[in-house]
Amino acid sequence: NAGVTQTPKFQVLKTGQSMTLQCAQDMNHEYMSWYRQDPGMGLRLIHYSVGAGITDQGEVPNGYNVSRSTTEDFPLRLLSAAPSQTSVYFCASSSSPLGGAGEKLFFGSGTQLSVL
Amino acid sequence: TQLLEQSPQFLSIQEGENLTVYCNSSSVFSSLQWYRQEPGEGPVLLVTVVTGGEVKKLKRLTFQFGDARKDSSLHITAAQPGDTGLYLCAGAAGANNLFFGTGTRLTVIP
Repeated sequence: NAGVTQTPKFQVLKTGQSMTLQCAQDMNHEYMSWYRQDPGMGLRLIHYSVGAGITDQGEVPNGYNVSRSTTEDFPLRLLSAAPSQTSVYFCASSSSPLGGAGEKLFFGSGTQLSVL
Repeated sequence: TQLLEQSPQFLSIQEGENLTVYCNSSSVFSSLQWYRQEPGEGPVLLVTVVTGGEVKKLKRLTFQFGDARKDSSLHITAAQPGDTGLYLCAGAAGANNLFFGTGTRLTVIP
């Protein structure tokens, strides 16, 4: 009954370091996405994918890369971390693309990232 | 960016009181969702409303979608400490576009 699993839970980076936030889901969902959550700003979409091999940019994609080689996994890469990327990151999945009737999003428990 | 403003930003009430949280935008949405988020966890979907004027009830929670599909409200009757959390509205505008509101942090004091 895992759902959406994110690792790590916490991470501290120095400016300029790179890292990958992992996300995996076991519900065979086609749609996966990454959001960042900052105080007073809600959740903002970084990148999303509607299936293996297909990715697209969201509202705030700069500084982040993604790939989708399998249905289950959707990692988020920070190539050169900056203090502005300090945030809580959430991965989410859905059985079908959003819009229309607005399908249910299943969220992971988040990664709290600090960039010094 | 289609901004969804929620009010109030913070709300602290006594157990048993009623409250209403508002979600407003100048944009029209095809549907609107409400999520609740607890500390250290991701948001969990409470309800989706699709039709303008639609009202949905979930036990003590009542959700309404505005007639013009630009706004929504969440009313909680006889709040319980278990209702404590961050409430987020999210509007869908076309495929793959879900815009989240700024959030209302509710604390229910026993």
